[in-house]
Amino acid sequence: EVLLVQSGAEMKKPGESLKISCEASGYSFVHYWIGWVRQMPGKGLEWMAVIHPGDSDTRYSLSFEGQVTISADKSINTAYLQWSSLKASDSAMYYCARRTYYYGSGTYSYFDFWGPGTLVTVSS
Amino acid sequence: DIQMTQSPSSLSAFVGDRVTITCRASQNVNSYLNWYQQKPGKAPKLLIYGASALQNAVPSRFRGSGSGTDYTLTITSLQPEDFATYYCQQSYSGWTFGQGTKVDIK
Repeated sequence: EVLLVQSGAEMKKPGESLKISCEASGYSFVHYWIGWVRQMPGKGLEWMAVIHPGDSDTRYSLSFEGQVTISADKSINTAYLQWSSLKASDSAMYYCARRTYYYGSGTYSYFDFWGPGTLVTVSS
Repeated sequence: DIQMTQSPSSLSAFVGDRVTITCRASQNVNSYLNWYQQKPGKAPKLLIYGASALQNAVPSRFRGSGSGTDYTLTITSLQPEDFATYYCQQSYSGWTFGQGTKVDIK
């Protein structure tokens, strides 16, 4: 069974750093991209970044490039998302999700398994 | 960036109704179009990928269609457990989500 287990809720002050995690199990971690999706309170879903744990190749949404860092440790099947200096506007739920490919008439990709989310609250 | 626009933003329907949600891309996404369902306090769940392929274990009342820039998610007979927010997502260039369509009980 594929499982993505995320770290617990965080309460931080503006300017603090943070690293949240997503531990994968039930599949070969190094063979699937894994990504992070933000959901601000009462709002929709925003893709942030993906990483291929096998070679640490990364892709960032233009909206989030330079704002966060995605990383992975394949020795412990865990992906991370980190901030060096949080802002109040970073308050949101953050989901990790596994990216899968389907090879049909094209190479379709989608997020097929999701973690339960990590709630990050940034407030002074 | 490719922009995704869903309509309507919300709708009210009865159990048993046929419901249609539309998603329009700002450029051709070549059927690289996925649909997700999200219930309050829960992570999104994949329903449809590649515009029309049903994800494993998703009921057949969910149907995806479309091509080019215009796509549709249809729920052929709305069930109580289908009241949720639905998002389209393009994976042609990066991964952009639509703003969501909330389906609630009439």
